[in-house]
Amino acid sequence: SAVISQKPSRDICQRGTSLTIQCQVDSQVTMMFWYRQQPGQSLTLIATANQGSEATYESGFVIDKFPISRPNLTFSTLTVSNMSPEDSSIYLCSVGTRNTGELFFGEGSRLTVL
Amino acid sequence: DAKTTQPPSMDCAEGRAANLPCNHSTISGNEYVYWYRQIHSQGPQYIIHGLKNNETNEMASLIITEDRKSSTLILPHATLRDTAVYYCIVRMNRDDKIIFGKGTRLHILP
Repeated sequence: SAVISQKPSRDICQRGTSLTIQCQVDSQVTMMFWYRQQPGQSLTLIATANQGSEATYESGFVIDKFPISRPNLTFSTLTVSNMSPEDSSIYLCSVGTRNTGELFFGEGSRLTVL
Repeated sequence: DAKTTQPPSMDCAEGRAANLPCNHSTISGNEYVYWYRQIHSQGPQYIIHGLKNNETNEMASLIITEDRKSSTLILPHATLRDTAVYYCIVRMNRDDKIIFGKGTRLHILP
């Protein structure tokens, strides 16, 4: 199994600011995804983080709002830009390898925007 | 959109088998059925997956109907720690993204 470390685990931010969330994995993984989970809701896929190229965004999510980096096979960042209270959510990093197909999830970063 | 349908909630008595149904009537021949669960305030946890045959591991059993249009996750002896939201997911292959539906909120009753 992969051990995933997300930072920060939680934060309280002011409207209009930006926050970058880091996802560090203890092994090289081929797949990395970012999800959002709003209060009381299921998980929504934001994008696939592609190593060495631009992320692939799902419908309703754009790069200007959620820029993603993935410089190598063990690390990725998600930035939530120009935040509003509607961005208050848990943001989760998910990783996996093609060998097993199993995806592992971090514990998430709980973001509150005032 | 999620390709599965699950009941929004279920109750199960502690110590009994919990049987969680899932409908995936539009599943294609090369799509897998995956189950994850999410315990409150934690990230989702992988449980089991299968293609055609029934599968069993240390956590659960997965029963897939012959026509593959539905499946059942079985927790053989439910405990209070099994209280969680259970997600049934259909996934093309091993490097495909996972799209979550609303899941089933399972309550284990003491």
